Amino acid sequence: GNSVTQMEGPVTLSEEAFLTINCTYTATGYPSLFWYVQYPGEGLQLLLKATKADDKGSNKGFEATYRKETTSFHLEKGSVQVSDSAVYFCALSDRWDTGNQFYFGTGTSLTVIP
Amino acid sequence: DTGVSQDPRHKITKRGQNVTFRCDPISEHNRLYWYRQTLGQGPEFLTYFQNEAQLEKSRLLSDRFSAERPKGSFSTLEIQRTEQGDSAMYLCASASYLPENTGELFFGEGSRLTVL
Repeated sequence: GNSVTQMEGPVTLSEEAFLTINCTYTATGYPSLFWYVQYPGEGLQLLLKATKADDKGSNKGFEATYRKETTSFHLEKGSVQVSDSAVYFCALSDRWDTGNQFYFGTGTSLTVIP
Repeated sequence: DTGVSQDPRHKITKRGQNVTFRCDPISEHNRLYWYRQTLGQGPEFLTYFQNEAQLEKSRLLSDRFSAERPKGSFSTLEIQRTEQGDSAMYLCASASYLPENTGELFFGEGSRLTVL
């Protein structure tokens, strides 16, 4: 079956620190991979995505590369800001063309302190 | 376009009562999803619609749960005879299905249910 495993939190970093949040997946087909972010008091919103192996998704300074050989999609940012404090969810989507459901990880809470 | 809206945002009810949540998706989106999220967990799929047709239901969706999307616009999720284990955030998301899309869900802010 399909599943996503992501790094346990919470994570606390100082401003300008380097961020990595690990995500690995199990899929029966050829999924698309996503990172969603949930800021306090808001709904989940797409941060970045990658649709095939070796694709790199990027947005707002965040990056993640779709690694089929290691079934991973780790989220990275070179220099975090206080405004990046949020919960980050890794997700996969399979069978988009025939109808699908998204599979989400448990979320990693990030707090960035000044 | 104001995005996906959900109502009510918070609902407190007593065990055994029925509750209904409403979701208004982004107007041009033909897919609508319901997810449930409990504390410390990621969203879990419940069901989804393409236009007015309910195409898939999770085994999490017991007989007490029913969802509709009349006319392919807004959707309702009803929980009958609520139990304390139903306490969760109920999330609605919509998407525009095209074969060439890679699938992005747009989420509402959720409806939080507390069953006493």
